[in-house]
Amino acid sequence: EPEVTQTPSHQVTQMGQEVILRCVPISNHLYFYWYRQILGQKVEFLVSFYNNEISEKSEIFDDQFSVERPDGSNFTLKIRSTKLEDSAMYFCASRVVGLGTQYFGPGTRLLVL
Amino acid sequence: GIQVEQSPPDLILQEGANSTLRCNFSDSVNNLQWFHQNPWGQLINLFYIPSGTKQNGRLSATTVATERYSLLYISSSQTTDSGVYFCAVGIGNQFYFGTGTSLTVIP
Repeated sequence: EPEVTQTPSHQVTQMGQEVILRCVPISNHLYFYWYRQILGQKVEFLVSFYNNEISEKSEIFDDQFSVERPDGSNFTLKIRSTKLEDSAMYFCASRVVGLGTQYFGPGTRLLVL
Repeated sequence: GIQVEQSPPDLILQEGANSTLRCNFSDSVNNLQWFHQNPWGQLINLFYIPSGTKQNGRLSATTVATERYSLLYISSSQTTDSGVYFCAVGIGNQFYFGTGTSLTVIP
């Protein structure tokens, strides 16, 4: 069964450094998403992406964040200058059409020191 | 944004018991999903159910969109059902998760 994959599974970085989290959505999916989950808290929506542009974004998704689909398979989330409070699990998700099941990847656990 | 409340926040069950988890949301939505987050942190799809009723084995779900709630039923619970259950609702292409129900099933 096709699945969403994410790399790396874990990343440790120093405050102020840039990080890029990578996702490979399911191949025929058209809608892509990033979420984050701070330890012990609920999952929070960051951004949705369709047709090579941002569709919706939350208040969390400020100028420090950007997303890109650099080729036909990868979907990336960049955090330009990480802060301690960016430490969280970051999930990528995708779905085929505008209404339908989102499939989540296994997540990247980011720790900012 | 839309408010999503789940109840109960915590639930402890004896293996074999049944349970009902509830998700209330504050606005009309066009998407609703239930997820199980296992102890390893993975989010597992349970149901895509913006309205109506679905069943999958021991699990079933009902969404009454006009009354802005959804229910997840777990029957004959097993220890592997332990974890956190989230509902997530969507308006357009933006999604909101509830705070979850943490379920512990004891043998």
